[in-house]
This record gives sequence, C-alpha cells and structure tokens, in this order.
Amino acid sequence: EAQVTQNPRYLITVTGKKLTVTCSQNMNHEYMSWYRQDPGLGLRQIYYSMNVEVTDKGDVPEGYKVSRKEKRNFPLILESPSPNQTSLYFCASSSSRNSYEQYFGPGTRLTVT
Amino acid sequence: DQQVKQNSPSLSVQEGRISILNCDYTNSMFDYFLWYKKYPAEGPTFLISISSIKDKNEDGRFTVFLNKSAKHLSLHIVPSQPGDSAVYFCAASGVGANSKLTFGKGITLSVRP
Repeated sequence: EAQVTQNPRYLITVTGKKLTVTCSQNMNHEYMSWYRQDPGLGLRQIYYSMNVEVTDKGDVPEGYKVSRKEKRNFPLILESPSPNQTSLYFCASSSSRNSYEQYFGPGTRLTVT
Repeated sequence: DQQVKQNSPSLSVQEGRISILNCDYTNSMFDYFLWYKKYPAEGPTFLISISSIKDKNEDGRFTVFLNKSAKHLSLHIVPSQPGDSAVYFCAASGVGANSKLTFGKGITLSVRP
C-alpha cells in the first residue's frame, strides 16, 4: 500500500530537549515536505526536499532542521524545542512528474511544555 | 500576507443539498489550484485540481470552478453527503515542477443528515 508514515504520532516533551520526527514514504517520490498546522493559520510549509541531499526552507523554517540522506526518509529535527512549536505536523511527498498532488502522512501531534 | 484566503471558517448544509466552498487568491502567478480534504486524526488527502487554462473541472460529485479575472475558485459538492463532513483546504501553486503549495486556512464543512 502506497503511504507516508510518521513517527511518533503523539509526543509530549519539555523545552530544550532535542527530538526527531521521522517520515518515510514507499512511493519512490522525489519531493518531500514538512508542514505544520495551527488553528486559524492553515498549513504552512517548514522545509522541503526535491531529492536526496537537496533541501530548502519553506515559509516557517526557524527552529527546525531536516536531512535527506535517503530518498524514502525525511526526518524533521527540533534541536531545542520551544512551546511555540507545539503544533500538528504533517509530512508529505509527491513525484517530480506531478509535484502538485502531494500525499500526506497521518500527522504528529507535538506538545512542548 | 495570506495569499490564499478561505474567509468562511465553517459551512453547514443539509444532506442532499449543494455545498459551495469558496477560495480567493492574491498572487497572479498561481497557475494550478487544488482542494484537499482532511478528516480528524488523518492527513489531508487530495480531492480535485484545476489548471489555470481551464475554468471548470469535474469529478463525480465534485466540481471546481476557476474565475481567473476575479482570482476566485469554488468547490461544489452535489449532492452533499454526511461523509463529506471534513475540513477542506484550498491550495495554489506557481509555474514549474516542484513549485510549492500555498494553503488556505481551511473550512469546516458539516453535512447534516
């Protein structure tokens, strides 16, 4: 089954404790992206990657890091989480042929206290 | 500055009636538009799209209309069903492969049985 998986689905952590949210897709997609969803703000792009070792900032990259060492994986790293990073996070992927139609993961609910 | 606007946060319609979800955009460089549907605890899923060279695209009960001069698009669902109750995001993209998607804030549709 074609899918995007994220782990963990739920995470409660404390300010400053480094964390990683994993994202993996099994569709051999070149393009991957991270979004955060906040009430009243919709979906905002954090980082994206057009292929292995190629990443770039989205609209709200501050406080986040990403890496793309393998085509299928695109982890999101919060080196020093802060309460304003409490949000619902989505990973998405798409093929380079049709990058508009992105497949989304189920989401990761992160709470930073 | 919100480039994709969904000004109504919610819409409630009776089962069997038409649902009309509206979306406005400000960036004249957008040339591809999409609608995503999102159920609680799931990631958004692609619903329907339209290229700027068209003014209408239909897929079963779902039709998207694009009015470029007004920078306005709408999603029509006919007939509406209770299973259509979800959050609907409008998204837009510029020219070229891997152009990023810009999302609206979303609108919550409730279809009453």
